[in-house]
Amino acid sequence: SQKIEQNSEALNIQEGKTATLTCNYTNYSPAYLQWYRQDPGRGPVFLLLIRENEKEKRKERLKVTFDTTLKQSLFHITASQPADSATYLCGLRRNTPLVFGKGTRLSVIA
Amino acid sequence: DGGITQSPKYLFRKEGQNVTLSCEQNLNHDAMYWYRQDPGQGLRLIYYSQIVNDFQKGDIAEGYSVSREKKESFPLTVTSAQKNPTAFYLCASSIRGGPRGGEQYFGPGTRLTVT
Repeated sequence: SQKIEQNSEALNIQEGKTATLTCNYTNYSPAYLQWYRQDPGRGPVFLLLIRENEKEKRKERLKVTFDTTLKQSLFHITASQPADSATYLCGLRRNTPLVFGKGTRLSVIA
Repeated sequence: DGGITQSPKYLFRKEGQNVTLSCEQNLNHDAMYWYRQDPGQGLRLIYYSQIVNDFQKGDIAEGYSVSREKKESFPLTVTSAQKNPTAFYLCASSIRGGPRGGEQYFGPGTRLTVT
C-alpha cells in the first residue's frame, strides 16, 4: 500500500540555522508533491509545489527538492526564525486527491 | 475577500446525534475535499467532489455523508454510525480535480467533540 513518511515527528533547531525536513514515499508515483505549513488549531497553508520532472524549486527562504529515484523530497528553510515554528506537511498527488504525511513539528529556538 | 469558511469553529454533540459541518468557498473552485485530522495521524481524506452533483469516497468515508448541490458549498454530515467522530475536520478546495488540480486551499477547520 502507499506510504508517506516524514522524517521525524519533531525537529528542534537554533535560530539562523537551516532546517531540513524529509518526505519519503513508497508504492507511489506522484505527478507532483506539495508542502504545507500548519499552525496549531488552524488549517494548512500551501507553500510550494514541485512536479515530477523538476529537481528543485525555491521561494524566498524556502527550497524544495524532488528525487523520484530515491522517492524523496527535502524541504529546506534557510536562516530559520522562531516565526517558522509550525508543523510542515508534505502531500503527494497523481490521479487522486492529495495524500498527506503525518507532518513534522519544527521548533526554532531563539 | 476570497476564501473558504467553515462553521462553527467548535461543535459539541451527544453520542447518537447526526451533525452537519458547513463548508463554503467563493474561489470559484470546481473541486472540494473533506479531511479529518487526529493527533499524530496527519490528514485523512473522507470525501471529495470534482464537480457539482458528483462526489467520491475517500479513505475513511464510513459513517459520513456529503452533498454537492452548489459549486460553493460542500457540507459534511457526521452520522451516528461514525464510531469515533471526535476530531478536527478540515475542508479544502482546488481549482479543479484530477492530477492538474494544483494546490489546495484549506478552511480554518471545525473541532467536533462528541460525548
